[in-house]
Amino acid sequence: QIQLVQSGPELKKPGESVKISCKASGYTFTDYAMHWVKQAPGKGLKWMGWINTYTGKPTYADDFKGRFVFSLEASASTANLQISNLKNEDTATYFCARSTRVYNWFAYWGQGTLVTVSS
Amino acid sequence: DIVMTQSPSSLAVSAGETVTINCKSSQSLLYSGNQKNYLAWYQQKPGQSPKLLIYWASTRQSGVPDRFIGSGSGTDFTLTISSVQAEDLAIYYCQQYYDTPNTFGAGTKLELK
Repeated sequence: QIQLVQSGPELKKPGESVKISCKASGYTFTDYAMHWVKQAPGKGLKWMGWINTYTGKPTYADDFKGRFVFSLEASASTANLQISNLKNEDTATYFCARSTRVYNWFAYWGQGTLVTVSS
Repeated sequence: DIVMTQSPSSLAVSAGETVTINCKSSQSLLYSGNQKNYLAWYQQKPGQSPKLLIYWASTRQSGVPDRFIGSGSGTDFTLTISSVQAEDLAIYYCQQYYDTPNTFGAGTKLELK
């Protein structure tokens, strides 16, 4: 069965960096793009962008350009999200989500990774 | 960016009732090339990941009970839940995938009356 398993919760200080992983199984990793979605505490869902798992090319939503990096370890069927220079407003649960081959609805989601930024 | 506006923001219901959640997009989600509406609905329960309910505005995802019905076209869409059950208490989001950035509505929280 298809699964996306994310790394565990993180507690970081402002200015630090964090790297979240999303390990896929049950399908051919490079056949489907991987997307990232942010959910701040008690708030809604915000699409951050996606990475082409075949070419490795990332695409970022405007609000996530600069400090956010999507990357792959394709040999390990893993997508990563790195956030640098963390700010308090980065405190959120981050989800990876798999789209279809062509369209961006998300039938498969990771369990979410809570990143808490606090001094 | 396409803005997705959901209403109401919360809804108190009794088990067995039929509820309607609305989602309006700031531009049409109907693509003329295939006559499909690029709109999905998700359900999110506390502490869980979102679950896909509906795509193409009205196509139920495999395994989703048929009491969940998506309808609408263009800019106005509806998720109807007939005979609400306790397990349906959750937050519901619409999402457009017509254009990037993909955008979600702010959510509608379904609560027990």
